[in-house]
Amino acid sequence: NAGVTQTPKFQVLKTGQSMTLQCAQDMNHEYMSWYRQDPGMGLRLIHYSVGAGITDQGEVPNGYNVSRSTTEDFPLRLLSAAPSQTSVYFCASSLTGSSTDTQYFGPGTRLTVL
Amino acid sequence: AQTVTQSQPEMSVQEAETVTLSCTYDTSESDYYLFWYKQPPSRQMILVIRQEAYKQQNATENRFSVNFQKAAKSFSLKISDSQLGDAAMYFCAYRTSTQGGSEKLVFGKGMKLTVNP
Repeated sequence: NAGVTQTPKFQVLKTGQSMTLQCAQDMNHEYMSWYRQDPGMGLRLIHYSVGAGITDQGEVPNGYNVSRSTTEDFPLRLLSAAPSQTSVYFCASSLTGSSTDTQYFGPGTRLTVL
Repeated sequence: AQTVTQSQPEMSVQEAETVTLSCTYDTSESDYYLFWYKQPPSRQMILVIRQEAYKQQNATENRFSVNFQKAAKSFSLKISDSQLGDAAMYFCAYRTSTQGGSEKLVFGKGMKLTVNP
């Protein structure tokens, strides 16, 4: 199993550009989520999904959209990038949303918005 | 809202010695889970250990163990026989329930551990 994969590893955008961060998992996990990590801070939840077709907002959802058309994929879209979105983005998945499940993290995407 | 506090931004330890990383949290819930994650320079988040709040026994995973004090809302990680590969950022995390009944992780700000040879 590849686990949780994220692409790209690095990305530089100009203010106002749009892009999609890809996340995929091959473990048949129902629960997937996106976090951002800023310097000196822990991870903060952006959006999450409890299954295909179901998404919800986390702690810092503004400026981001998600969709979950399949169990495997959970892309994160930036519609109009802003410098405040410069961060490292992590995708995570777990079997369900239960606290008994371990969350598996992807390797992260480092995004810079100029 | 739940919060997780790691008050020590950095620590160092000599190889083969023991180090304790501290974490406190705030919650009004009685049932929850606590985690320690390790983030090496590769940036991958790796689960180190997990503690269930309703269990009195402290969790242990090989050289890693926790001291869970529920009344004090304290959750420290002890690393015994420290190895060079233990050098990383360590994050304490709390798993709570969101509005929809699913759960998210609430993270502390992290602590950088250096292991000196």
